[in-house]
Amino acid sequence: AQTVTQSQPEMSVQEAETVTLSCTYDTSESDYYLFWYKQPPSRQMILVIRQEAYKQQNATENRFSVNFQKAAKSFSLKISDSQLGDAAMYFCAYRGFNSGTYKYIFGTGTRLKVLA
Amino acid sequence: NAGVTQTPKFQVLKTGQSMTLQCAQDMNHNSMYWYRQDPGMGLRLIYYSASEGTTDKGEVPNGYNVSRLNKREFSLRLESAAPSQTSVYFCASRGPNTDTQYFGPGTRLTVL
Repeated sequence: AQTVTQSQPEMSVQEAETVTLSCTYDTSESDYYLFWYKQPPSRQMILVIRQEAYKQQNATENRFSVNFQKAAKSFSLKISDSQLGDAAMYFCAYRGFNSGTYKYIFGTGTRLKVLA
Repeated sequence: NAGVTQTPKFQVLKTGQSMTLQCAQDMNHNSMYWYRQDPGMGLRLIYYSASEGTTDKGEVPNGYNVSRLNKREFSLRLESAAPSQTSVYFCASRGPNTDTQYFGPGTRLTVL
């Protein structure tokens, strides 16, 4: 069975600095997607970035980028120039393929605090 | 275009009471999902529906039932609520040409 592990329950970063959130996963599949979701205090789940496993190039969305290491099964999120609005829970998620229906597995989350 | 909507936003039940959480999406998505979110546990899949008329169990289905009423709506029912079902419940949907889930705003349920 696939698993997703976020080993950092909480992280802090100074405003304008860079922070990296870690995520590792376990799977025997070769075709899958990985995601980072942000959950602010409003509770809404917001997609931050996604990565296709077959693409070697790391995904980038403005200040957010990933370091995808397929062999190591690692998928970390880097936030550059951190802003107060980045403070939230961040969830790493894996999407595999099961019986024709895409099932998603989420990590336990990392709470990011941004210090002014 | 409202995306994914959930009702109610908050609910308090007594042990043994029943209720149905409603979810609807207006994006013409085939797949819909119900998750629960508990502190330190992330999101866990309760049930999902690949298409209208089909439902399948996820990781934590015990104590829940679902109905895919039509393509738009996917409801989650608690027949006899228990304190262990106190949680935040999220509905999500996914279209045929995307790998991304879109989430509703969540329902905070407390069972006393």
